[in-house]
Amino acid sequence: TAGITQAPTSQILAAGRSMTLRCTQDMRHNAMYWYRQDLGLGLRLIHYSNTAGTTGKGEVPDGYSVSRANTDDFPLTLASAVPSQTSVYFCASSDSMRTSGGAEVFGPGTRLTVL
Amino acid sequence: GQNIDQPTEMTATEGAIVQINCTYQTSGFNGLFWYQQHAGEAPTFLSYNVLDGLEEKGRFSSFLSRSKGYSYLLLKELQMKDSASYLCAVLDSNYQLIWGAGTKLIIKP
Repeated sequence: TAGITQAPTSQILAAGRSMTLRCTQDMRHNAMYWYRQDLGLGLRLIHYSNTAGTTGKGEVPDGYSVSRANTDDFPLTLASAVPSQTSVYFCASSDSMRTSGGAEVFGPGTRLTVL
Repeated sequence: GQNIDQPTEMTATEGAIVQINCTYQTSGFNGLFWYQQHAGEAPTFLSYNVLDGLEEKGRFSSFLSRSKGYSYLLLKELQMKDSASYLCAVLDSNYQLIWGAGTKLIIKP
């Protein structure tokens, strides 16, 4: 079944440790996104990529980095985790940039707890 | 600043109709999305409006008034499986997607 996979499903991480959240899509979508979702707040964009080889900063990029070496993969790295990064992380993709009203398809999410 | 307002929670009865409102103040407008999110799951796309008026898709309809900065999602013939959060999101002039916090819809038998 086509879609987006994320790994791990959940993780408990000690503060100060680094971690990479993986995201892979098989729909050949050009645009990919990383969001975090916290209780009572809307989804907040961390980083995005409009096409392989390019990335951009979203609303809350500090403490996170991304890369887009190919169309399918868009990993998110936390270099030195802090408790405020405890959240549910969603990866998403769309087959066109937002300029064409492309709806985003979301992965199942990664629940991260930083202690 | 940019802002999307939705009610935090609504309750409705199975078989009834419910309207979930969304008002927005954004720097420009390039479209409005509605997504459904069941508890513990990912959001899934429901509708996209860029022109004023009503878009109907089966039991779900979405309305947009750009002059009023207002949209609503109408759900008819409610089923228990419609219990979920409904997220409103607006594309601003920079094509940045601004998300509301979502409306949790509780369906009672």
